[in-house]
Amino acid sequence: AQSVTQLDSHVSVSEGTPVLLRCNYSSSYSPSLFWYVQHPNKGLQLLLKYTSAATLVKGINGFEAEFKKSETSFHLTKPSAHMSDAAEYFCVVSLEEYGNKLVFGAGTILRVKS
Amino acid sequence: DAGVTQSPTHLIKTRGQQVTLRCSPKSGHDTVSWYQQALGQGPQFIFQYYEEEERQRGNFPDRFSGHQFPNYSSELNVNALLLGDSALYLCASSFPGDLLDTGELFFGEGSRLTVL
Repeated sequence: AQSVTQLDSHVSVSEGTPVLLRCNYSSSYSPSLFWYVQHPNKGLQLLLKYTSAATLVKGINGFEAEFKKSETSFHLTKPSAHMSDAAEYFCVVSLEEYGNKLVFGAGTILRVKS
Repeated sequence: DAGVTQSPTHLIKTRGQQVTLRCSPKSGHDTVSWYQQALGQGPQFIFQYYEEEERQRGNFPDRFSGHQFPNYSSELNVNALLLGDSALYLCASSFPGDLLDTGELFFGEGSRLTVL
């Protein structure tokens, strides 16, 4: 069963406009949720994490995400895109029923146009 | 401070061969996890090593095996290679507590394996 779904495989925005990358999860329990970013030829890097504290989570480089239990969503946003944000973004869930292993979504490639 | 380093960065094998990939964790980390990232997909968990033992394993066949050495470095071995094993293999390190508390894994840049 798919435990994390990224709703868009590709997102294209203009520099200076908002970014929205969508993620839904499926779990019977309260999950831990993360966003990782992968720049070309670079290792994956943690952007932010939710672990049952504040539902609005702030991460690095101006990104934030909001945990909405009623919608089982954890969408990633940024008010103003920068060229350096172009990368692939992964929504990741840690589920108790999977032994707390990290389960990655399929990824969303963000393109930023000048 | 060196991050996670992996070798080789690229390699090409033929079906039926065996391959060994190597990983050195970030300084101070003692837990190593391996992931397989097929083209166009997210990374999938293979297994995790701590104290030289396999602690957790994902849904991968026994052809995938590993080892952790006393200095915390690790190897991933794949036997009887199949075309479908072509992927980017990622190594990640962490403190054992961090995996559950923060989820922050530190990833290497990966070893890209092509099976012909």
